[in-house]
Amino acid sequence: ILNVEQSPQSLHVQEGDSTNFTCSFPSSNFYALHWYRWETAKSPEALFVMTLNGDEKKKGRISATLNTKEGYSYLYIKGSQPEDSATYLCAFMSGAQKLVFGQGTRLTINP
Amino acid sequence: NAGVTQTPKFQVLKTGQSMTLQCAQDMNHEYMSWYRQDPGMGLRLIHYSVGAGITDQGEVPNGYNVSRSTTEDFPLRLLSAAPSQTSVYFCASSSFSYYRTDTQYFGPGTRLTVL
Repeated sequence: ILNVEQSPQSLHVQEGDSTNFTCSFPSSNFYALHWYRWETAKSPEALFVMTLNGDEKKKGRISATLNTKEGYSYLYIKGSQPEDSATYLCAFMSGAQKLVFGQGTRLTINP
Repeated sequence: NAGVTQTPKFQVLKTGQSMTLQCAQDMNHEYMSWYRQDPGMGLRLIHYSVGAGITDQGEVPNGYNVSRSTTEDFPLRLLSAAPSQTSVYFCASSSFSYYRTDTQYFGPGTRLTVL
């Protein structure tokens, strides 16, 4: 069973501060790494799909990096806003068309 | 486009009852999947399909059946509901790419309670 670990499990950040969290995945047989943003009572929404070692993606104040050799990805949020409060999920694709999700990092932005 | 739709939004079943959760997408996506979401467990893959007539098991398939007779629809059947199947169920779809590099689109979820 593939293990995808996200840390921390939850995080409280003051509005305006920057933050980051980690997704760890097996470094062998890598195909793709997905990041999703999941607001309470809504459906997960895609942020990034990353495929190449060294990939760096950006969407507004959110960015992500990928290291496939050591098996981790970081998600960064710059200048956190209350609307950034959500659970952030990563999902690892190793083959056989199965995405394996981490348990998520629950981010709360304090005004 | 409606995207990915799921019905019902809420359902309460008694142990032993069967039911079908419906999922439909209007984006002509080949790949469709079902996940369940439990507290502290993230999303776990139940079954998936890479096209009409093709289905396969995910991480937690026991107690569930699927079929894919059309590109648009991917129903999930609970054969004999058990309290352990109390969960929120999400359907998702995406274009097919072998390396799964395409974004998945999720439905709104079905909250199921089994008494």
